[in-house]
Amino acid sequence: DTAVSQTPKYLVTQMGNDKSIKCEQNLGHDTMYWYKQDSKKFLKIMFSYNNKELIINETVPNRFSPKSPDKAHLNLHINSLELGDSAVYFCASSQVVGGTEAFFGQGTRLTVV
Amino acid sequence: GENVEQHPSTLSVQEGDSAVIKCTYSDSASNYFPWYKQELGKRPQLIIDIRSNVGEKKDQRIAVTLNKTAKHFSLHITETQPEDSAVYFCAGARGSGSRLTFGEGTQLTVNP
Repeated sequence: DTAVSQTPKYLVTQMGNDKSIKCEQNLGHDTMYWYKQDSKKFLKIMFSYNNKELIINETVPNRFSPKSPDKAHLNLHINSLELGDSAVYFCASSQVVGGTEAFFGQGTRLTVV
Repeated sequence: GENVEQHPSTLSVQEGDSAVIKCTYSDSASNYFPWYKQELGKRPQLIIDIRSNVGEKKDQRIAVTLNKTAKHFSLHITETQPEDSAVYFCAGARGSGSRLTFGEGTQLTVNP
């Protein structure tokens, strides 16, 4: 009965390819996020959606495009993958933005070769 | 925007000892401070949080203290066990409607 689930768990792809990561939450939360965790373990927010609307958009290359078809789903599409995109990407959700517990998915380890 | 600094980046203790991780924040309007634990290969999970209307909160072997004047908060783990080994992240937010900013993490190793 996973609260926040993301697929795939592992993704290995070549430079220049386009790939997507999917995320779904069954907690009834209004807010969803994408975080990038690099090799130094730093958790950096990329995007946040509240009720399907983009509310946080950090300085992320426009090769990254989030899409929220409904408030339970937030997918991440990445175009023209680069070596530096290799990282673990975490989806998360919370009832509201910022002031409450964030529940994380299990992460997607993206390796660009 | 908010800036959260976390120290130390690595911490090694003997089983049974206490561990303390400290964080400072820059935004005096921040009022929500959670701590997350991330075991190797796993997702970050909330272990304890504190809001600015209290100075200390305890949950069994873990406690968090907050000094609003000095803008710092700390995580205290007593009687450490090998399963406490993980990366711990502090974070801060202004509350509802604002982003959660994470510290850079502390790798805690508890040696048996």
